[in-house]
Amino acid sequence: SQTIHQWPATLVQPVGSPLSLECTVEGTSNPNLYWYRQAAGRGLQLLFYSVGIGQISSEVPQNLSASRPQDRQFILSSKKLLLSDSGFYLCAWSVRQGLSLHFGNGTRLTVT
Amino acid sequence: SQQGEEDPQALSIQEGENATMNCSYKTSINNLQWYRQNSGRGLVHLILIRSNEREKHSGRLRVTLDTSKKSSSLLITASRAADTASYFCATDARHGSSNTGKLIFGQGTTLQVKP
Repeated sequence: SQTIHQWPATLVQPVGSPLSLECTVEGTSNPNLYWYRQAAGRGLQLLFYSVGIGQISSEVPQNLSASRPQDRQFILSSKKLLLSDSGFYLCAWSVRQGLSLHFGNGTRLTVT
Repeated sequence: SQQGEEDPQALSIQEGENATMNCSYKTSINNLQWYRQNSGRGLVHLILIRSNEREKHSGRLRVTLDTSKKSSSLLITASRAADTASYFCATDARHGSSNTGKLIFGQGTTLQVKP
């Protein structure tokens, strides 16, 4: 069966520090991968999605970037965090675009 | 911008009652999905309804879709305390004749089921 791992679960980082959040998927090949951000009490905002290695689509111009160095690995990064980067970051995968998403348990990021 | 808008934002009911949540969207879609999120956790997929379907059931869940009104509803029958969670609709939007391939989420409805 397929599983998705996302870490860390919580992270507190100072403004201006770098960020690296990692997500890996097991049990499937060539998944579509997604990064979403959720502000407190709000819906999900699509940040990045990837349909293959090295193929990244950015949805919102911002302080973040994403990379897909391996088929089942998706990384969210920032060189310098801003206060506004605080939020709940969720990684997800799907078999194909438009079909159901399978989410990780999320990373709660607090930028201080 | 968000594609879907859920209504109500919050709902509080007694165990055993039915809960109905509504979702409206703006553009043409390929399908509409409902997800559940327990506090502080990732989302869990509940049900997918295609644009050519009008109603779908899964256990105690019933989803309807009215593409002419660009709206959907999620009904949870005989609710339980364990149904307490936030519920989100998400649409696989079309742009003209093309699929966008992006799943866009609404703001969610927070459901509290009191024992």
